[in-house]
Amino acid sequence: QAVLTQPSSLSASPGASASLTCTLRSGVNVGSYRIFWYQQKPGSPPQYLLRYKSDSDQQRGSGVPSRFSGSKDASANAGILLISGLQSEDEADYYCMIWHSSAGVFGGGTKLTVL
Amino acid sequence: QVQLVESGGGVVQPGWSLRLSCAASGFTFSDYGMHWVRQAPGKGLEWVAVIWHDGSNHFYAESVKGRFTISRDNSKNTLYLQMNSLRAEDTAVYYCARIVGGDFDWLSDYWGQGTLVTVSS
Repeated sequence: QAVLTQPSSLSASPGASASLTCTLRSGVNVGSYRIFWYQQKPGSPPQYLLRYKSDSDQQRGSGVPSRFSGSKDASANAGILLISGLQSEDEADYYCMIWHSSAGVFGGGTKLTVL
Repeated sequence: QVQLVESGGGVVQPGWSLRLSCAASGFTFSDYGMHWVRQAPGKGLEWVAVIWHDGSNHFYAESVKGRFTISRDNSKNTLYLQMNSLRAEDTAVYYCARIVGGDFDWLSDYWGQGTLVTVSS
């Protein structure tokens, strides 16, 4: 079982909110990790969005709008990237990442479609 | 401005070797750790390797351990990835990225455009 699991796709309407989940494998406790989120558009390298460990330990990347935010669902053992006020430019692939056992681990990515 | 430019990609046969380079500019290279991340065609991101700012420590993904070596030359502002015993599954775009933060708590704030490695007979 993969360390990080993301739904492969998600669709939402412009102006709506989208919640992208990143579920940690059983035994890998989301509360212990800072989760990093990256956005990748076709033909471009990934771009850092934000990191989240708790509400008091959250940081957005330079220039990342406040409508991007992070959270966790401890009951689901998952990290969440919340995007509010969706815009067409938010259509992209989104990857979560953690550092686990002295290695970087990426989730499989979620393709967000805004339509 | 920060720039990372990868080079060295190409088409090689299984079992061959290749060395990728990542030329850094616009920042004090020796102050930052670096890592390599790859992306197979149409697939997601896969972390490959990380190296400390001074080259004193490095770690690898299990999939490349023993075959790939990450290194750096701070006098040349250049990061390297030596790839030996290449396999078809190593086919990917390889990105170098600057990392900031505490040990094993890094974020990648700048990325290169990537270089494509194709392993095929």
